[in-house]
Amino acid sequence: KAGVTQTPRYLIKTRGQQVTLSCSPISGHRSVSWYQQTPGQGLQFLFEYFSETQRNKGNFPGRFSGRQFSNSRSEMNVSTLELGDSALYLCASSLAFGFGGTEAFFGQGTRLTVV
Amino acid sequence: AQSVTQLDSQVPVFEEAPVELRCNYSSSVSVYLFWYVQYPNQGLQLLLKYLSGSTLVKGINGFEAEFNKSQTSFHLRKPSVHISDTAEYFCAVSDTGNTPLVFGKGTRLSVIA
Repeated sequence: KAGVTQTPRYLIKTRGQQVTLSCSPISGHRSVSWYQQTPGQGLQFLFEYFSETQRNKGNFPGRFSGRQFSNSRSEMNVSTLELGDSALYLCASSLAFGFGGTEAFFGQGTRLTVV
Repeated sequence: AQSVTQLDSQVPVFEEAPVELRCNYSSSVSVYLFWYVQYPNQGLQLLLKYLSGSTLVKGINGFEAEFNKSQTSFHLRKPSVHISDTAEYFCAVSDTGNTPLVFGKGTRLSVIA
């Protein structure tokens, strides 16, 4: 079966712009989580959606937002981009929210570069 | 809040030698524990997980890990590494109350021919 699909794979944006990243989970998975990965901070949890509702949120400013659609696809948006937002953004899908002991499957990520 | 410490940021090891990557977590309450591997320009792939039961967990690619509740540790081991094991390895923990995964900073394993 198809894995987690993230689009686009690479993005270059200018400071002050906004960006939208997309994640299609594995068929049947209703939980989608987003993580930011940087060399300095490692993997940091952004937010998690389950059945179109945000269930958990990490410690990121309000410029970072997300949503989930009825088909479980998710998007995250970053407004007013800063240089420090340059990172690999990873999406993970699982059957249960909060992972609940179920396996999380990760996409290949979107590499965002802010110049 | 949970935290995860991976004690070594880089581990070089010769091919066919054994390796142990160390991981400690902060809380002794019930947790789920995971090891993930990340190859360059890729996402994370699950190596193994501990949910309950036997404290010795076997995963893919010949890796295993041992859950030690008293030491709050979940060290990853492989008896004989291959060049293809060169990657970054992440330990992660989730409280059993449906909380998100908390990751360690990662250990870069370099296998030397």
